Amino acid sequence: QQPVQSPQAVILREGEDAVINCSSSKALYSVHWYRQKHGEAPVFLMILLKGGEQKGHEKISASFNEKKQQSSLYLTASQLSYSGTYFCGVGTDSNYQLIWGAGTKLIIKP
Amino acid sequence: NAGVTQTPKFQVLKTGQSMTLQCAQDMNHNSMYWYRQDPGMGLRLIYYSASEGTTDKGEVPNGYNVSRLNKREFSLRLESAAPSQTSVYFCASSEGGTTHGDTQYFGPGTRLTVL
Repeated sequence: QQPVQSPQAVILREGEDAVINCSSSKALYSVHWYRQKHGEAPVFLMILLKGGEQKGHEKISASFNEKKQQSSLYLTASQLSYSGTYFCGVGTDSNYQLIWGAGTKLIIKP
Repeated sequence: NAGVTQTPKFQVLKTGQSMTLQCAQDMNHNSMYWYRQDPGMGLRLIYYSASEGTTDKGEVPNGYNVSRLNKREFSLRLESAAPSQTSVYFCASSEGGTTHGDTQYFGPGTRLTVL
C-alpha cells in the first residue's frame, strides 16, 4: 500500500523551513527520499534504515520513527534550488522493493 | 560517465502498436528497474532485474515485458499499446539489488503517449 505524504504541497519564502512527512500502514525497514524537478529524473537525497543508519545529502536532515512507521524530511533555510516534488519510497521487512508516495510539491519564492 | 541513459525521450503510438524502450547504465550496477510515473500517483514499479539473467514482476507488470540483455542493458516492451499506458517511464539502476540500503539512480525518462 502506498505511503501517505503530507502536505501535498507547500509554498515558502526563501530562508523559511519546511517539514515533509511520509507515513506507512506497514512496518518499515527503509525510507528513501528523492527530489524531482519538473521534467527531470528523481535525484537521491537520503536513505534511512531500521536501526538508525543514514546516508545522504549533507545539507538535508531526516528522521525515521520505526514505531510510528513514519519519516520526516527537514529542509532548513530553504533556497530557490530546493523547489521541486519530494518523494518518499519505503521498503518493508518482507519486501526490499520500494513503494513510493504520491509526492509533496515544494515551491520556494524569493 | 553518462549514468543511466534512456531512448527514446518522447514517443507517440497508436493503440495496438508495439515498441521497445531502451535503457543502459555504465556504473557496473547489478540491479535495474522500470517504473512508470502518472500524475498524482508517484512511481510504480513495472519490472525489475536484481542481477544479470533474472527478471521479476513489480507492482504493475500487465501489458509489459522486459529483457535484461546483459549487465548494462534492460529493455521494456509494450506488445500492444493501450491509452492506459500513456505515462512517463523511468529506468533506474542500483549497485546491490537485494538490500534495503541501495541508492537508485534514475535515467531522464521516456514520455509516451498512446492515442
